[in-house]
Amino acid sequence: EEHLVESGGGLVKPGGSLRLSCAASGFAFSNVWMNWVRQAPGKGLEWVGQIRTKTDGGTADYAAPVKGRFTISRDDSKNTLYLQMNSLKTEDTAVYYCITTYWGPGTLVTVSS
Amino acid sequence: QAVVTQEPSLTVPPGGTVTLTCGSSTGAVTSGHYPYWFQQKPGQAPRTLIYDTSNKHSWTPARFSGSLLGANAALTLSGAQPEDEADYYCILAYPNSRVFGGGTKLTVL
Repeated sequence: EEHLVESGGGLVKPGGSLRLSCAASGFAFSNVWMNWVRQAPGKGLEWVGQIRTKTDGGTADYAAPVKGRFTISRDDSKNTLYLQMNSLKTEDTAVYYCITTYWGPGTLVTVSS
Repeated sequence: QAVVTQEPSLTVPPGGTVTLTCGSSTGAVTSGHYPYWFQQKPGQAPRTLIYDTSNKHSWTPARFSGSLLGANAALTLSGAQPEDEADYYCILAYPNSRVFGGGTKLTVL
């Protein structure tokens, strides 16, 4: 059974950093493009970024609001996806999900002083 | 950046049929946009109903179907049930990005 579990969320001050992880199981992780999506409280879904498979170049793309601050990476040997978030802003407060066609439960990131 | 549009809200009677649409500011939506449809109920994580225009997951009720309709991607619900009341989001793929629509709040009433 396919499974995604995000971790690493928490409370961080503006300007701070946080690294999220997403542990995948039950499918061929290395063969799948992975995405990060977020949802601010009471708001809709927002695409954060994606990372290609190594076969497809392993490069990542980002949404404009996070470009230059967030970095997506993957460790196929650990079936794990990462989201490094730097220079965090209050507007980055959201539940963060890693997704393929499957969704994890999400992890809450709160940016507040 | 492209803008993806969805109806903000729709109402369907129990047992009725409703079509939700997903449009792109760049022109007609095609299979090359790999449209996905997600359902989200209050307090829950979203789940994927439809991927790549019309493919269903094992958990997708048969009453949901995805298609291209005119210039849009479409999600059709035939035989609405009370448990289908939820927010529905589409996402489209563009070169080097993906964009969500604003979501449709579906009421079964």
